[in-house]
Amino acid sequence: NAGVMQNPRHLVRRRGQEARLRCSPMKGHSHVYWYRQLPEEGLKFMVYLQKENIIDESGMPKERFSAEFPKEGPSILRIQQVVRGDSAAYFCASSPTQPSYNEQFFGPGTRLTVL
Amino acid sequence: KQEVTQIPAALSVPEGENLVLNCSFTDSAIYNLQWFRQDPGKGLTSLLLIQSSQREQTSGRLNASLDKSSGRSTLYIAASQPGDSATYLCAVVRGGADGLTFGKGTHLIIQP
Repeated sequence: NAGVMQNPRHLVRRRGQEARLRCSPMKGHSHVYWYRQLPEEGLKFMVYLQKENIIDESGMPKERFSAEFPKEGPSILRIQQVVRGDSAAYFCASSPTQPSYNEQFFGPGTRLTVL
Repeated sequence: KQEVTQIPAALSVPEGENLVLNCSFTDSAIYNLQWFRQDPGKGLTSLLLIQSSQREQTSGRLNASLDKSSGRSTLYIAASQPGDSATYLCAVVRGGADGLTFGKGTHLIIQP
């Protein structure tokens, strides 16, 4: 059973460009979470999604950031018009269809660098 | 608002020692607590998950305890090895399908 997969692993963008980060959950998992780890800071929850639904986006910046988890395909975290402060590691986690224990399994992360 | 604190922020010990990492959280209304390790430039590896109704979990040389009422958890590592060197993160969740709230971690170095 493959783990949580994220791509790309490293992404470099210039200020003003768009960044698209992809996450494929573990097989059998239908819950996806995105977290951000800024340099020298802890991991912060951004958004929680189920297939075709955003359940909780309380940690997501109100502007420029969006997330989706379509019926088919990976979850996408999209950052429009990136700024240097967006440089961080972005992690995706997934949990099983019935998250009664909510054990979350993390991917290797995407490290975004904004020049 | 839930806050998670981990003490110490960094720890360096000789190989073979037993050690304890501490985690405290401000809101005791948690659903579960999870310990992770993170290696430099890598993702998170789940070590132990403790449900709110449990008091401890064990896996190999690792033992995690939970005192929900006092808002504390400890991770005990027995007979430490250089391969245990990593950052250890504690995280709590409020509900069955909520995002995790993380501490900033304990950076552990085991000296050969």
